[in-house]
Amino acid sequence: NAGVTQTPKFRVLKTGQSMTLLCAQDMNHEYMYWYRQDPGMGLRLIHYSVGEGTTAKGEVPDGYNVSRLKKQNFLLGLESAAPSQTSVYFCASSYRTWVAGENEQFFGPGTRLTVL
Amino acid sequence: DAKTTQPTSMDCAEGRAANLPCNHSTISGNEYVYWYRQIHSQGPQYIIHGLKNNETNEMASLIITEDRKSSTLILPHATLRDTAVYYCIVRTNFGNEKLTFGTGTRLTIIP
Repeated sequence: NAGVTQTPKFRVLKTGQSMTLLCAQDMNHEYMYWYRQDPGMGLRLIHYSVGEGTTAKGEVPDGYNVSRLKKQNFLLGLESAAPSQTSVYFCASSYRTWVAGENEQFFGPGTRLTVL
Repeated sequence: DAKTTQPTSMDCAEGRAANLPCNHSTISGNEYVYWYRQIHSQGPQYIIHGLKNNETNEMASLIITEDRKSSTLILPHATLRDTAVYYCIVRTNFGNEKLTFGTGTRLTIIP
């Protein structure tokens, strides 16, 4: 199993450009998440999905859109990138279960995005 | 989710036990304590969790005080590969699957 993979690993954008980050998981997880991490800070939740075709806002959703057309994929879009969106983006997935410990989140390796 | 307080940084000698404290004085009765770590900008990694009993797995031990207002993560024989940022998180398992990360404790293992 590859676990959680993210594409691309690095990207540099100019202000106003758009791009899509792809997250894929092969663990048949129902829940998927997008976080951002700024230097010296913990992760902050952008958007999440509790199942195929559903998405919800997290703590810092402004400037981002997401889609979950397939259970194994979760896409994060930036329609008009801004320098404030320079960050490391992490995707995660987990089972939909209320059994503690069985719903641990598995994280991808991250995408390092710079917006000039 | 309840707020947690952790020291900003700690050092530990290689081979010694690393004890990482966490305060969660406002934890609710149905909230668990979870620990994750993040090694050098990689994605965070789950370590262990507990509700009120002490827990141990192949990575670490978790000691939760009887009043559940604080806990300690113990890495019994720290190695250089344990150098990372450790996050203490409290969360419920009832319809709330989100994790709220603070700034964590930066643990440095010294040779």
